[in-house]
Amino acid sequence: QKEVEQNSGPLSVPEGAIASLNCTYSDRGSQSFFWYRQYSGKSPELIMSIYSNGDKEDGRFTAQLNKASQYVSLLIRDSQPSDSATYLCAVIDTGGFKTIFGAGTRLFVKA
Amino acid sequence: DVKVTQSSRYLVKRTGEKVFLECVQDMDHENMFWYRQDPGLGLRLIYFSYDVKMKEKGDIPEGYSVSREKKERFSLILESASTNQTSMYLCASSLDANYGYTFGSGTRLTVV
Repeated sequence: QKEVEQNSGPLSVPEGAIASLNCTYSDRGSQSFFWYRQYSGKSPELIMSIYSNGDKEDGRFTAQLNKASQYVSLLIRDSQPSDSATYLCAVIDTGGFKTIFGAGTRLFVKA
Repeated sequence: DVKVTQSSRYLVKRTGEKVFLECVQDMDHENMFWYRQDPGLGLRLIYFSYDVKMKEKGDIPEGYSVSREKKERFSLILESASTNQTSMYLCASSLDANYGYTFGSGTRLTVV
């Protein structure tokens, strides 16, 4: 059974701090990795994708990938209360079609 | 922007009823998916389709079926609703799985 593991949280950070969200995956052949944000009562929204080892930055968000360690992370700089949500890590399996989602990490940003 | 529309935001059905959940996307995507989301269990794949008339079972297909007669429409059918099918149902669409998904707004189904 291919798995994506996330700490369920909640992760609480003060406004303006860096929030660090982590994810590990079991399928060593995975090549595509995503972060989705889900506000309470809403559906997931794609915020970041990463395909190569290293960092990818988009505004206040940075995704980090280490395939050797099977580890993906999301950093949110200058966290805002509006960033309070559940963040889902998702991985495409080796077959290249099915997406496996983690259960999500709840983030609270305190004003 | 891709828009994925689910016909109902909230539904309440009785045990044993046949339930239809409709999903329509407007960007000519080949791939469509149905997930359910439950607290602590995350998103679980029920069925997916990568072409009209084609459908594949996901991880939890039991008690469900799907229909895809047109490219833009992917319907989830609960043949005989049961209380353990009370959940949030999410439809998603993608041009290619490696580009990520666009989700519909979800249908919260309660079976009583």
